[in-house]
Amino acid sequence: DAGVIQSPRHEVTEMGQEVTLRCKPISGHNSLFWYRQTMMRGLELLIYFNNNVPIDDSGMPEDRFSAKMPNASFSTLKIQPSEPRDSAVYFCASVRTTGRLSGNTIYFGEGSWLTVV
Amino acid sequence: DQQVKQNSPSLSVQEGRISILNCDYTNSMFDYFLWYKKYPAEGPTFLISISSIKDKNEDGRFTVFLNKSAKHLSLHIVPSQPGDSAVYFCAATFSGSARQLTFGSGTQLTVLP
Repeated sequence: DAGVIQSPRHEVTEMGQEVTLRCKPISGHNSLFWYRQTMMRGLELLIYFNNNVPIDDSGMPEDRFSAKMPNASFSTLKIQPSEPRDSAVYFCASVRTTGRLSGNTIYFGEGSWLTVV
Repeated sequence: DQQVKQNSPSLSVQEGRISILNCDYTNSMFDYFLWYKKYPAEGPTFLISISSIKDKNEDGRFTVFLNKSAKHLSLHIVPSQPGDSAVYFCAATFSGSARQLTFGSGTQLTVLP
């Protein structure tokens, strides 16, 4: 059973360039999350989708960040234009939940390491 | 304003001894707490959880203790093994909401052989 699949694993890009991170959640999971990990702030929730619909994007730092989930098996996180302070590890995670998390667990992908120079 | 705080960024423990990782929270609405473990170049994986109706939950070498009055939880690993070396994230939520899951900044545990 494949886990959450993210691509690319590593991305180095120049400031001002567009970056697109991709995620395939676990089949059957109806909730998807994008997190960002930094040394200073740990794991921060950027956006949460439920049944492909963005429910909470309050964690998206700026208008330069956007996320889509066109279907149940694919999501993208886009940064345009990218800046050096966007350098971080971006995790996608998914869970099957109809309400309470108890008894379920969120599964994380291996992360996309982004460096903006 | 971090609602879940892990004040120790790192901890080193000798193999065979007890590792104690601490976590404090500020939101009294939190009623479900989790610990995740993360190895380098991998995503976090679920380790153990506890509901606020309990004060202790044990799973093998791992035990989580919850002190609601102090808004404090801890993860005990006994005995510690070199393979336990990882970053440990504390997380909390309320009403079991996955959406409201809030993570701490993590503690790097190093178990020395």
